Amino acid sequence: DSGVTQTPKHLITATGQRVTLRCSPRSGDLSVYWYQQSLDQGLQFLIQYYNGEERAKGNILERFSAQQFPDLHSELNLSSLELGDSALYFCASTLGDRTSRRNKNEQFFGPGTRLTVL
Amino acid sequence: GDSVTQMEGPVTLSEEAFLTINCTYTATGYPSLFWYVQYPGEGLQLLLKATKADDKGSNKGFEATYRKETTSFHLEKGSVQVSDSAVYFCALSGPNAGGTSYGKLTFGQGTILTVHP
Repeated sequence: DSGVTQTPKHLITATGQRVTLRCSPRSGDLSVYWYQQSLDQGLQFLIQYYNGEERAKGNILERFSAQQFPDLHSELNLSSLELGDSALYFCASTLGDRTSRRNKNEQFFGPGTRLTVL
Repeated sequence: GDSVTQMEGPVTLSEEAFLTINCTYTATGYPSLFWYVQYPGEGLQLLLKATKADDKGSNKGFEATYRKETTSFHLEKGSVQVSDSAVYFCALSGPNAGGTSYGKLTFGQGTILTVHP
């Protein structure tokens, strides 16, 4: 158990709908990363938050947004869903906001949310 | 931009066989390199890592050496077990030297390993 929790575990919805995925980081971790794992794109970084502020953005669609709340949990909002958004969405947490030779910022991954868009 | 290329899979081996999964990368600066493992129905777990050239990461019998001259980080295990069956991802995070990477991981496409008794 990594200490990172994600809810729900599974989500089935229809095209055009909006969903919210939730992530609670390990106790004490300030950074949350969101990743998407799909068959055609593989594992891709979406976005990172550190202590409530956006830190880095990856290949995140404009229909997707995220935020990190004062209690450090994070939510990923996906709207106007398309069939191609079906994927596993992982969050990971780490203590700091960057990695360096000295900074052993190992990312701990949650079990993921499997989103199916029908 | 940064990229990671893993050998094509899937890989099927018999128990106690030798395992190599190739990984090469393209990155600026001095990235940290990682191998993650994903067991069926679970999230990713860090298997091993190396943060500078010639470092060797090791864990649970798996090893990988950071080779800057060949930009490679190949995963090896001398004798695989059925319980090693999983998907293995090579990843990098970098650059290390004061860059603005903020720690995001760039992953390879993953290699499915199946070990038969």
